[in-house]
Amino acid sequence: KAGVTQTPRYLIKTRGQQVTLSCSPISGHRSVSWYQQTPGQGLQFLFEYFSETQRNKGNFPGRFSGRQFSNSRSEMNVSTLELGDSALYLCASSSSSGSSTDTQYFGPGTRLTVL
Amino acid sequence: GQSLEQPSEVTAVEGAIVQINCTYQTSGFYGLSWYQQHDGGAPTFLSYNALDGLEETGRFSSFLSRSDSYGYLLLQELQMKDSASYFCAVRSFQTGANNLFFGTGTRLTVIP
Repeated sequence: KAGVTQTPRYLIKTRGQQVTLSCSPISGHRSVSWYQQTPGQGLQFLFEYFSETQRNKGNFPGRFSGRQFSNSRSEMNVSTLELGDSALYLCASSSSSGSSTDTQYFGPGTRLTVL
Repeated sequence: GQSLEQPSEVTAVEGAIVQINCTYQTSGFYGLSWYQQHDGGAPTFLSYNALDGLEETGRFSSFLSRSDSYGYLLLQELQMKDSASYFCAVRSFQTGANNLFFGTGTRLTVIP
């Protein structure tokens, strides 16, 4: 089975721009979660999508948004980019019946640099 | 809120055993996960404990005490390739059962 894939792997943007990142989960997985990883704040949960609906949300401003399509692929969007948005953005998929025992499998991430 | 504490760095000798501790504070606790991340790589799932006790997977074991809000990851027969960052992460009602609140990570360096 193919793993979680994320595109693009690297992005360079300037302040004020917006960006869209894409994630394709493992085949059959219906839940996609997004995380931000920075040296200062570590790994932080952004939001989770399940069956095209946002199921949970972390503590991030409204500039961070996402969506999920009927094939479970997900995108996240960051508008009005700030320097502090420079980070590794990771998505994770799980089969997720909603059980707390479902393992999350991470993709390789998208490295976003904001100049 | 939630909090997790784990040591920032640990150094151990190849072939030895190392234990990485994790204490947590959260409400609506479901379980504790451990992930490994090599530099430039993605976090890789190692183990998950929902109940008290020890879970063993090859050279890695993980332990949980819910009453003490404490867990640890035990790595045996250390190999050079085990040099990586190790994260404990809680699943709780606060982030939703399926999602993870991560600790700041422990950087393990294995020396010859």
